[in-house]
Amino acid sequence: GENVEQHPSTLSVQEGDSAVIKCTYSDSASNYFPWYKQELGKRPQLIIDIRSNVGEKKDQRIAVTLNKTAKHFSLHITETQPEDSAVYFCAASTGPGYALNFGKGTSLLVTP
Amino acid sequence: DGGITQSPKYLFRKEGQNVTLSCEQNLNHDAMYWYRQDPGQGLRLIYYSQIVNDFQKGDIAEGYSVSREKKESFPLTVTSAQKNPTAFYLCASRPPNPGEKLFFGSGTQLSVL
Repeated sequence: GENVEQHPSTLSVQEGDSAVIKCTYSDSASNYFPWYKQELGKRPQLIIDIRSNVGEKKDQRIAVTLNKTAKHFSLHITETQPEDSAVYFCAASTGPGYALNFGKGTSLLVTP
Repeated sequence: DGGITQSPKYLFRKEGQNVTLSCEQNLNHDAMYWYRQDPGQGLRLIYYSQIVNDFQKGDIAEGYSVSREKKESFPLTVTSAQKNPTAFYLCASRPPNPGEKLFFGSGTQLSVL
């Protein structure tokens, strides 16, 4: 089955700096790559997603890039703020109805 | 997300006991999922169902069972065979094409007495 690797497991940045989280996947049939943010004790919330026919997608301070050849995708957060502190998960899926396979998460801490 | 409800929020299990976690959705989604979350382990797939009366094992199905008798409901039973059941359990549902976003319930924290 699909194996999703995520790095780093923890990341600490100063407010205003950028944060980058990277993921790799194993199944070349995967075509949907979402990123979720989870605050302590709460459910994961989708923050951005990308499909395999697109190389980059941006939403305000958040961007995701996808390299299908290398089978990796990355989350970029610019101008980080303390409220960005949370655990971030990447995931991959081969299509609707199929399961999302998640990475192990990155705990991001943004210090003022 | 609105429309998918998990209960109870907290659950305690005694040795040798089976317990059932409830998951109900009114989003008219065909696909439903159960994930287990442990600290530092991410979300691991237990079972999923793409349609009523059908379900598939995920990566860590041993010690768990599910049923999908109704589109709205996908209960998860943690059996006595699951020796380390303490975890946060998340139920999710997903619409068919074109949307692929996963909608999560608020989770159930299961602990062993």
